[in-house]
Amino acid sequence: AQSVTQLDSHVSVSEGTPVLLRCNYSSSYSPSLFWYVQHPNKGLQLLLKYTSAATLVKGINGFEAEFKKSETSFHLTKPSAHMSDAAEYFCVGSGFQGAQKLVFGQGTRLTINP
Amino acid sequence: DTGVSQDPRHKITKRGQNVTFRCDPISEHNRLYWYRQTLGQGPEFLTYFQNEAQLEKSRLLSDRFSAERPKGSFSTLEIQRTEQGDSAMYLCASSPLPDRKKGYTFGSGTRLTVV
Repeated sequence: AQSVTQLDSHVSVSEGTPVLLRCNYSSSYSPSLFWYVQHPNKGLQLLLKYTSAATLVKGINGFEAEFKKSETSFHLTKPSAHMSDAAEYFCVGSGFQGAQKLVFGQGTRLTINP
Repeated sequence: DTGVSQDPRHKITKRGQNVTFRCDPISEHNRLYWYRQTLGQGPEFLTYFQNEAQLEKSRLLSDRFSAERPKGSFSTLEIQRTEQGDSAMYLCASSPLPDRKKGYTFGSGTRLTVV
């Protein structure tokens, strides 16, 4: 079945250090891939999206992600974490078997230590 | 563009009661989606509309759930005879056509608690 897997349920980093949130997808086709962020008691906000153009995608707030077809991965990175980055992050896919719906990963909770 | 609005933000109901949620999408968006998010999990797809037509329903959408989008604008999601397992955040999203490459705009959700 087509799916999106986030490899870590919880990531904890110190402020100012790099962030890496890992995501793999399973599909016979190249889907559209997104990263969304959800702060406590807030809605889902789109961070960035990959839609078969450039494989390195830059998003908001200094985040970026690289689509690697050979590894079926779409990891999210940020060079320097900020306290305001603490939130739940979802890797999301669309276009599996032509379907329009979004398929969410399980989420990664990012904690930033001062 | 005022974003996607959902009402109410919170709903507490007794088991067995019916509840209805409303979603107002971004006005020019043709597609409207409903998702459910339980604690510690990612959102799960429930159903989606293209204009007023309901094009897909998940098997998660039991016969106690019904969704409508009568005029292709706002949508309602009704749960009949609520159960404690229905407690979750219900999220609405909208997108323009074609949507796969443009992403989806989510509302802040309606949190349902069934007691």
